[in-house]
This record gives sequence, C-alpha cells and structure tokens, in this order.
Amino acid sequence: IAGITQAPTSQILAAGRRMTLRCTQDMRHNAMYWYRQDLGLGLRLIHYSNTAGTTGKGEVPDGYSVSRANTDDFPLTLASAVPSQTSVYFCASSDGPAETQYFGPGTRLLVL
Amino acid sequence: GQSLEQPSEVTAVEGAIVQINCTYQTSGFYGLSWYQQHDGGAPTFLSYNALDGLEETGRFSSFLSRSDSYGYLLLQELQMKDSASYFCAVNNADSNYQLIWGAGTKLIIKP
Repeated sequence: IAGITQAPTSQILAAGRRMTLRCTQDMRHNAMYWYRQDLGLGLRLIHYSNTAGTTGKGEVPDGYSVSRANTDDFPLTLASAVPSQTSVYFCASSDGPAETQYFGPGTRLLVL
Repeated sequence: GQSLEQPSEVTAVEGAIVQINCTYQTSGFYGLSWYQQHDGGAPTFLSYNALDGLEETGRFSSFLSRSDSYGYLLLQELQMKDSASYFCAVNNADSNYQLIWGAGTKLIIKP
C-alpha cells in the first residue's frame, strides 16, 4: 500500500516558470489538501478539496491553482513561480474534512 | 483572528516525561490534533481530542480543556527516537473543518 505519493521529490525552478506538483493517493479518501511548510514554521493550507470535483481556498492560495478531476489525484500548479514560493510542499488526504490527515513525503521546491 | 501558541523548543532527558502545551484562539473550535514530524520527514498523526479530558495512546497522552482553550501532549518514557517537532492543530468548523497549525515545538532529548 503506497498511501500518498508526491512527485517530484525535489525541484529547482527558475522564476517565471510554470510547475505542477503531483499528488496521488490510493486510500480512496474523499478529502485532499496541499500545504506549504517554510523553514522552522508550521504548515499553511494552500488549497483543499473535500470531494472529487470540488476545491476550496486555504490560508495562502495566491499564485497556486488546483484541480480534482478524480478521487485519487490532486495536482498543484504554480502558474509563474516566484522565489517566495520556495518551500516544502506536502500533500495530504483524509476520509473527510475533520478526519485524521495522512501526508505524502513532500516536494522540496527551490525557486531562483 | 485564529492563532495557536506552543513553545518553540523543549529539552528533556531520555526516560523522562515531558509536556508540550498548546493554547489556541479560534472561533468554531471542533477538535485539537497533535502531529509528529521528524527532520526531513512528513507529519504523522499522534492524537486527537474533541472533548475535555485525557486521551491515552501508549506512551503518548493528549489533554484538552475547551473552557481554557488549552491542550497538551504528554510523552512518557522518552526515547531518543522521540526527538522530533510536535505540532498542535485545530479543526475549525467555521472554515470547512480545515486544520489551523501551530508553529511546532522542537523536542530535544539528551541521553
């Protein structure tokens, strides 16, 4: 059982480039989330999806977009990367909005 | 606004007991969760309290007082592998039950 996978593991990106971070879960969870974690800080919610076909904005959505075409996949797109988007990005999923969240291994992104 | 406060760092000795406190200010409080994160790793779920009182899971326990907007994580019989960051997070019913996270407490364990 893989749980949640994220790709790529790490990436160096030039500012202004477009980038999609991939997230796939095999637990058939309804809800999925994208967080960013900056050095020494807690997690901040970027976008979430309570069920396939729906998405919502979190605490820090600007500069990011998501889609949820099916239950398993929840890609996060940076339309035009900026250095302030340098961070570790975690995808998570849960049975429902208030249930325990399970996290992927993260994507370490450096925007230069 | 919504906020959570927890100590940035706690140091303890192997075999001892340590308590990590968390105070929160939020509307629509639904529950308090605790997650563990080792350096370079992903957060993993430890415990959840929706009602007042103590929840025990092996060496770890978590406590909640809704009237005091306060909770804590208690770690007993500390082991070196418990060295990690510990995050409290609040489920907010006013924001689709999304988690609001504290900044984390780095637990340093000395032999």
